[in-house]
Amino acid sequence: GDSVTQMEGPVTLSEEAFLTINCTYTATGYPSLFWYVQYPGEGLQLLLKATKADDKGSNKGFEATYRKETTSFHLEKGSVQVSDSAVYFCALSGETGNQFYFGTGTSLTVIP
Amino acid sequence: ETGVTQTPRHLVMGMTNKKSLKCEQHLGHNAMYWYKQSAKKPLELMFVYSLEERVENNSVPSRFSPECPNSSHLFLHLHTLQPEDSALYLCASSPLSGGYRGTDTQYFGPGTRLTVL
Repeated sequence: GDSVTQMEGPVTLSEEAFLTINCTYTATGYPSLFWYVQYPGEGLQLLLKATKADDKGSNKGFEATYRKETTSFHLEKGSVQVSDSAVYFCALSGETGNQFYFGTGTSLTVIP
Repeated sequence: ETGVTQTPRHLVMGMTNKKSLKCEQHLGHNAMYWYKQSAKKPLELMFVYSLEERVENNSVPSRFSPECPNSSHLFLHLHTLQPEDSALYLCASSPLSGGYRGTDTQYFGPGTRLTVL
């Protein structure tokens, strides 16, 4: 079945460091891929998405490219800020079927 | 109000109590979802409603009972819960058109933090 495997955390970085959070997926057909972010005490917020191969989603300095050949959708940011501290979830929505599949989440802490 | 709202934000209940969680979406969406988020576990999809009809029930115990009276409101009725049901319960909605496809972006509420004593 469809699934998402996400890099385990927690991740701790200094401010202005480069961030990569790995995400790989298993799915039939052509799923849509998402990154969600959850700040402390809040629900999940959509960060970015990509709906077809080679698409790049971007938002707030974060980027992820839908790589069908490696079944990956890694999240990157060139220079993290303290305000980026949160839990990040990779997710996929299958081409068929009726579920979203979420990764286990990666906790990021950015220290000044 | 905009987006997806959930009430209450925090709930403490005993195992013999009956309570309800409420979710309301102001986005004009056609599908709504209940998720359970427990510490150190993946998000668990509990129920899905599409056009007010339940289309998914992922083997959730009967002590959880959903209700979707219209496309804007979703409830989760709780009774005789167990301490292991303590978790963050998240509601989400998505802008489906013409039926449930599962490929539309989901928009989440802030969640209800439930503690069962």
